Formats: sequence, structure tokens, C-alpha cells
Amino acid sequence: KNQVEQSPQSLIILEGKNCTLQCNYTVSPFSNLRWYKQDTGRGPVSLTIMTFSENTKSNGRYTATLDADTKQSSLHITASQLSDSASYICVVSDNAGNMLTFGGGTRLMVKP
Amino acid sequence: DVKVTQSSRYLVKRTGEKVFLECVQDMDHENMFWYRQDPGLGLRLIYFSYDVKMKEKGDIPEGYSVSREKKERFSLILESASTNQTSMYLCASSLGTATYEQYFGPGTRLTVT
Repeated sequence: KNQVEQSPQSLIILEGKNCTLQCNYTVSPFSNLRWYKQDTGRGPVSLTIMTFSENTKSNGRYTATLDADTKQSSLHITASQLSDSASYICVVSDNAGNMLTFGGGTRLMVKP
Repeated sequence: DVKVTQSSRYLVKRTGEKVFLECVQDMDHENMFWYRQDPGLGLRLIYFSYDVKMKEKGDIPEGYSVSREKKERFSLILESASTNQTSMYLCASSLGTATYEQYFGPGTRLTVT
């Protein structure tokens, strides 16, 4: 069964600090991996999408890494801001069709 | 700019009522999806549609039906709402298969009392 596990479940950091969120997956055959940011009461918004051949992709202060061999991804947030407080969801797609496998998310709180 | 809209942000219904959740996208996307999101369970796919009048069951279709009469509109129907259907409902659309990005609407928070 395809699974996506994220850690930690929740995280509190001080404004200006860096943090790293983890995602492990067992989806096969792998197509791509996305990180979404979901503000409270809103729909998820895509941050990055990575295919098998990509191992790093950046979007401003967000940098995602992918190790397709170990089936792990991380999302690094640099110089955190209060607006980074949100849930971050890792989503993995297989080649079989329309099905995505969602992780449970990491809830990040950035405190002043 | 990409736009997926949902008919209501918050909805309160009574047990046994028929509930309609509407989703509209303006990107001419082929595929549309309905998910529900519950704490600790993440997003779970209820139904999706890859073309007008076409639908496929997702992981948790029981108690739900869908309708897609026009390309831009995808409706989720709760035939007889129950308290265990209290949840956040998210609609999404994409140009193609799972290799394409899905764009999400703002969500509808449904409470069934």
C-alpha cells in the first residue's frame, strides 16, 4: 500500500530561525513529489514539485530535496517568518493515473 | 491566475439533510477532484472526474455522489448527511493526470448536527 509519512507532526520555532521538515514515502512506481503549504482554513498551495531526476529545488526561502534511492524528501525553510505558520503537506504521485498519496502534514508555528 | 472556487466556506446542516457542495474552476481543466480533510488523517480522495459526465470513485466514496454536467463545475452530494461527514471538504482541478499539479479551492467546512 502506498504511504507517505511526515515528521515531525508539529513544530514550533522562533522567527528568523531555520527548520527542516521530513517526508518518507513508499509510493511505487514514483512519478513526482510535491510540497504544499496550507494556511489555516485555506486550501493547499503548491510550493515545489520534483521529479525522479531532480534532487534539489528552491522557491524563495523554501528548498526541497529528494533522495529517490532512500525515498525521502525534506523541506528546508530559511530565516522563518510569522507568515510561514501553516501546515506543510508532502504529496507523492505514482505513474498509474490520477491517484495522489498525501502525508498527514507537519504543522509549523513560527513565534515572534 | 488560476482560480478554483467553492460555493460556501462554512455550512451547517442537520442529520438526514441532502447537501450540495459546488466547485467551479476557470482554467479549462479536464480533471476535478473532491477530498475531505480530517485531523490526523490528511486528505482523502472521495471522487474524481476526468471529463464531463465521467466519474471515478476514490478511497472513501461511501455516502457521497458527484455530478459533472459542465467542464468547469463539479458537485459533491451528500444524499443523507450524517455526523461522521462533518469535515473540511476540498475541491481541486488539474490539467491532466497525477503528474500535473492540482490546484485547490479554499475549502468548505461542513458541520452536520
